Amino acid sequence: GAVVSQHPSWVICKSGTSVKIECRSLDFQATTMFWYRQFPKQSLMLMATSNEGSKATYEQGVEKDKFLINHASLTLSTLTVTSAHPEDSSFYICSARDGRSGEGYTFGSGTRLTVV
Amino acid sequence: RKEVEQDPGPFNVPEGATVAFNCTYSNSASQSFFWYRQDCRKEPKLLMSVYSSGNEDGRFTAQLNRASQYISLLIRDSKLSDSATYLCVVNMGAGNMLTFGGGTRLMVKP
Repeated sequence: GAVVSQHPSWVICKSGTSVKIECRSLDFQATTMFWYRQFPKQSLMLMATSNEGSKATYEQGVEKDKFLINHASLTLSTLTVTSAHPEDSSFYICSARDGRSGEGYTFGSGTRLTVV
Repeated sequence: RKEVEQDPGPFNVPEGATVAFNCTYSNSASQSFFWYRQDCRKEPKLLMSVYSSGNEDGRFTAQLNRASQYISLLIRDSKLSDSATYLCVVNMGAGNMLTFGGGTRLMVKP
């Protein structure tokens, strides 16, 4: 089935630094990828929709200048958390849909970000 | 009102029990429906899609009632390995993005 590779799996960084998370579709092309954030004991919340070759669409309340998304190819989307702060600590997950194989969406394995 | 609502649980059941989860969604124009399973500190994984005619996959049965905007998941003969959080997920059609319920936690005990 469709595979979405996400890395790093976890990262610890200092406040004020930037962290880049990569998400790759390994065996299919993804014109659209989705970035979610999940805080402990909460469900996934959509942050933004990443569109290949165009600007990402951000959900209300998500700062586009803080969470930079780049989707330069059909198989790669990146999320950069700029000037990270402790409140940005969360589980970030990307998702994409392989249009060849039904309606299910495949998720990356997630990135656990801890900002100290 | 949340767009997708679930009872958070936890549901504590013994092995072999039958357990049912319910979910309601607010947008009547929603197009696709899914149940995902999420283990602790892991990504969600698709359990099954949900169709109006109802569908079954082994011990799992999913039902959709569009008129009531209600989705259910039934797990028969619960196994210890079924312990997880079950997420009700709806594609509301706009941009194909998914909207997640808060999840229902299931704990199956020996």
